[in-house]
Amino acid sequence: GAVVSQHPSRVICKSGTSVKIECRSLDFQATTMFWYRQFPKQSLMLMATSNEGSKATYEQGVEKDKFLINHASLTLSTLTVTSAHPEDSSFYICSARDLSGAPRGYFGPGTRLLVL
Amino acid sequence: GEDVEQSLFLSVREGDSSVINCTYTDSSSTYLYWYKQEPGAGLQLLTYIFSNMDMKQDQRLTVLLNKKDKHLSLRIADTQTGDSAIYFCADSGGATNKLIFGTGTLLAVQP
Repeated sequence: GAVVSQHPSRVICKSGTSVKIECRSLDFQATTMFWYRQFPKQSLMLMATSNEGSKATYEQGVEKDKFLINHASLTLSTLTVTSAHPEDSSFYICSARDLSGAPRGYFGPGTRLLVL
Repeated sequence: GEDVEQSLFLSVREGDSSVINCTYTDSSSTYLYWYKQEPGAGLQLLTYIFSNMDMKQDQRLTVLLNKKDKHLSLRIADTQTGDSAIYFCADSGGATNKLIFGTGTLLAVQP
């Protein structure tokens, strides 16, 4: 099946720094990628929809200036958490949509962010 | 807005069948999905069903869809300890084609 990778798998950073998370579709082209965050023991919350070559669409309540999304190619989207704070600590998961068949989402393994 | 609900917890004995239920509100959903998440890991797509189908079977997994009642279920036959995980149903969100996730059901399999 289709594979989506994320890098890094886990990151610890100091408060105030910025962290970039990469999401790659390895064997298919993804015109659309989705970014989710998941707090412990909770469901996934959609943050934004990333479209190749255009601006991302953010969900209500998600600060676009804090969570910068760039979808530069059909296989890569990045999420940058700017000026991270402890409350940004979470599990961030990306999903890439393969539109050649059923619009099922293939998920990356997730990135665990801990902000000290 | 769209909403997807699941029961939070299910406990079964090894070898028994597990049935995980899900209800959704968006009547325009095209696809409905079941994902599995093991501790500390990402999501694994288990199966999906197109909205004009009533049932789909894939080895030990059976998905039932009652579109009138907006009810989706996942049956796992001969449940094994390796099936212990959180199971999420997801709705394809109608015209938006973005996934709306349920709250997740923690399946605990007792040996």
